[in-house]
Amino acid sequence: QKEVEQNSGPLSVPEGAIASLNCTYSDRGSQSFFWYRQYSGKSPELIMSIYSNGDKEDGRFTAQLNKASQYVSLLIRDSQPSDSATYLCAVGDNNNDMRFGAGTRLTVKP
Amino acid sequence: NAGVTQTPKFQVLKTGQSMTLQCAQDMNHNSMYWYRQDPGMGLRLIYYSASEGTTDKGEVPNGYNVSRLNKREFSLRLESAAPSQTSVYFCASSGGRQSSGANVLTFGAGSRLTVL
Repeated sequence: QKEVEQNSGPLSVPEGAIASLNCTYSDRGSQSFFWYRQYSGKSPELIMSIYSNGDKEDGRFTAQLNKASQYVSLLIRDSQPSDSATYLCAVGDNNNDMRFGAGTRLTVKP
Repeated sequence: NAGVTQTPKFQVLKTGQSMTLQCAQDMNHNSMYWYRQDPGMGLRLIYYSASEGTTDKGEVPNGYNVSRLNKREFSLRLESAAPSQTSVYFCASSGGRQSSGANVLTFGAGSRLTVL
């Protein structure tokens, strides 16, 4: 069974702080890793993709991947109230099977 | 460029009725997906099609059937709807693992289904 686990939260941080979101996965054959943001009542939208071990930075967002530990994380620096949403971790294998975690709800308080 | 289009956006069914959710993409993507989203459950994969002519089961395929009609279209059918199938359904597509940005999903707007 391919499982993707996230802390459901809610996670609350003050404006300007760093938000840290974590995800673990069970399938060692996983090849691709993603973070999606979903606002209430909307579709998920891609925040970050990462395919190899290490860090990947894009503006205020940094994704970290450790395949040996089967762990992927997302850091949001200088958090803004507009970052308040549910963040979904997604993991893909070599056959295009894409699985999602349950999501972590983030609230950024002004 | 419409991206991924799902129809209908809303549907109410009675137990035992059948219906088909339609999905079409205009991005020339190889892979297409159907997910359901329930409160607190994230997105659960129902079926996917890695390429035209193939379909595979995901986590929760029971009670559903799919058809990859052509490269653009991927439909989801409920043959005999049950209250447990009340959910929001999302269709998505991706270029597939051979593409740049492999497996990045583009989602449709979602279809809210209620089964009474």
